[in-house]
This record gives sequence, structure tokens and C-alpha cells, in this order.
Amino acid sequence: EAGVAQSPRYKIIEKRQSVAFWCNPISGHATLYWYQQILGQGPKLLIQFQNNGVVDDSQLPKDRFSAERLKGVDSTLKIQPAKLEDSAVYLCASSPPPGQGGTDTQYFGPGTRLTVL
Amino acid sequence: LAKTTQPISMDSYEGQEVNITCSHNNIATNDYITWYQQFPSQGPRFIIQGYKTKVTNEVASLFIPADRKSSTLSLPRVSLSDTAVYYCLVGDPPYSSASKIIFGSGTRLSIRP
Repeated sequence: EAGVAQSPRYKIIEKRQSVAFWCNPISGHATLYWYQQILGQGPKLLIQFQNNGVVDDSQLPKDRFSAERLKGVDSTLKIQPAKLEDSAVYLCASSPPPGQGGTDTQYFGPGTRLTVL
Repeated sequence: LAKTTQPISMDSYEGQEVNITCSHNNIATNDYITWYQQFPSQGPRFIIQGYKTKVTNEVASLFIPADRKSSTLSLPRVSLSDTAVYYCLVGDPPYSSASKIIFGSGTRLSIRP
């Protein structure tokens, strides 16, 4: 079974520029998550999708961050404009529908490391 | 929200059993306890999940006392490859709100030869 795919793996931009990250979840996984992980900290959940609908985006800084999941499969996370404090690893995760796989396990991708200069 | 408290770091040696304890004093009735492992430059990986008493799989055991205010992840006979950050997560699956998924800072486990 293929895992969660993310691209790019690394991105370096200057502050005030825009950037987008892409995630392809595991096939059949209805729930998709985007996390921000700053160096030395645990992942912080930004937004959660159920199919193509947003379950909760209360922790997403909406003045500069946006995310979408068209057709309930792939998802993109965008930052516009970027700030220095946005430097972090952005992780995408997916999980199967409730009742499948036994536990509510999140499967994580490798992440995109963003450096804002 | 059920926040968790874990030791920042732990050291051990190959072949030893390692126990990492997580405190979650305000765990809710419907909350499960889940542990993830994260290696450098990788996303977290699910290890084990439980609700009460003891759960064991091929990788680890999870001990949860009756009051459920803490839990202990037990790694039997660790090897160098178990060096990683371990996160304790408390929540009510299927997680219905992004604000309820809190990873915390994790425990950095270092295994020495």
C-alpha cells in the first residue's frame, strides 16, 4: 500500500513570497490533516478535512494560510505571504473512515521542510 | 482539552526495557491514548493505542491504570533504531475537531550501545 505522498520535500523562499504544498493521501482515506511542526516541537494541527469538507480550521491562520481538498482526494496548503516564523516542516496525514483499520490511526507523509529567509 | 505531560528526554542502553510515562490528568471519558514515534526528517508513525488496562502489539505495550490519568509506553529490549521522539496523544477518535488533537513536545529517547 502506497503511503501519504507530499511535495516538494524542501522549499526555500524569501519572506512575503507565496508557497504551496501538495499532499496525496492513502487511497480510500476520507480524513486528511495538515500539521505544522516547528523545530524541537510536536506537530500542531492546522486543519482537518473529511472528504472534501472542512471539519475544523480553527487553528489555521486564515489571514495568510489557506487549504483546499478538491474532489476529496488531493489537498494543497498555501501560505501567502510567508513570514519568517512560518519556517517549519508541514506534515500531511490521512486516516481511514471510522471502523476501518481498528484504531483511529493517522498515517503521516514525509513532510515539506519550509525555510523562509 | 486533555493536555499531556511527558519527560523531555530519556537515555537507555541496547537490550534494556524502556518505560515512558505520560500524564493526562483531565482525560475525558471517551478519550483514547495513542502513542506515535518520530524519526528525524520523517512524519510520526503510529505505535499503539488503548483505552484502559493493557494493550500489547508486536512493537510495544501500553499500560493504563484504572484512573486513566497516566499511561506508560513500554518498549522491550530496545535497540539503537529505537532512538526517536515519542509522542503521547489523548483524544476521542474519530477526532471530530482539529483543536482536540494535541501532540505536545514529546520525549526524546536516546539509545546507546
